[in-house]
Amino acid sequence: GAGVSQSPSNKVTEKGKDVELRCDPISGHTALYWYRQSLGQGLEFLIYFQGNSAPDKSGLPSDRFSAERTGGSVSTLTIQRTQQEDSAVYLCASSLRVRPPRDEQFFGPGTRLTVL
Amino acid sequence: AQSVTQLDSHVSVSEGTPVLLRCNYSSSYSPSLFWYVQHPNKGLQLLLKYTSAATLVKGINGFEAEFKKSETSFHLTKPSAHMSDAAEYFCVVSALGQAGTALIFGKGTTLSVSS
Repeated sequence: GAGVSQSPSNKVTEKGKDVELRCDPISGHTALYWYRQSLGQGLEFLIYFQGNSAPDKSGLPSDRFSAERTGGSVSTLTIQRTQQEDSAVYLCASSLRVRPPRDEQFFGPGTRLTVL
Repeated sequence: AQSVTQLDSHVSVSEGTPVLLRCNYSSSYSPSLFWYVQHPNKGLQLLLKYTSAATLVKGINGFEAEFKKSETSFHLTKPSAHMSDAAEYFCVVSALGQAGTALIFGKGTTLSVSS
């Protein structure tokens, strides 16, 4: 079956612009996660969804970042007023369930965001 | 709180020699531990996972890892390296949040394999 897909694969934007990143999880996966992979920072957790709700937003770096998930499927990560430090690869993952914490998370190919 | 430390940022081996990638973890709970691999310009792929069953876990492509609670370690090994093993490897611990789970990644170890 299809894996996790993300779009766009690459995004170049100017500082101060808003961007939207999209994630299509594996069909039937109730849990969806966003991570950011930056040079020198490794992979950091941003936010996760259980269905359409996001119980844990602790990883979002600032209030310029927001995410939503509709219909228990597609998720959008929005970054407002982008800054150069937002440049990174944004990864989406999905898993069958949130608990127990043993389910494999399947990762998408990522969106490479470059803020000029 | 959970955390994971990969002890080597870069490991270089010759083809056909053993691979050892070291990982130590810290967890308040009985952890779930994973190793993921990321090949250049490709997505993250699960190599293996430990979930409190057998302490020696076998994964794909001949990799295995042993969970040692007394040493809080989960080192990744392979008896004989192949050129295609060159990639970045991440040791990961699951983090139990108040209502869910996220993965806490180590900084990664880049494995280079020479012929």
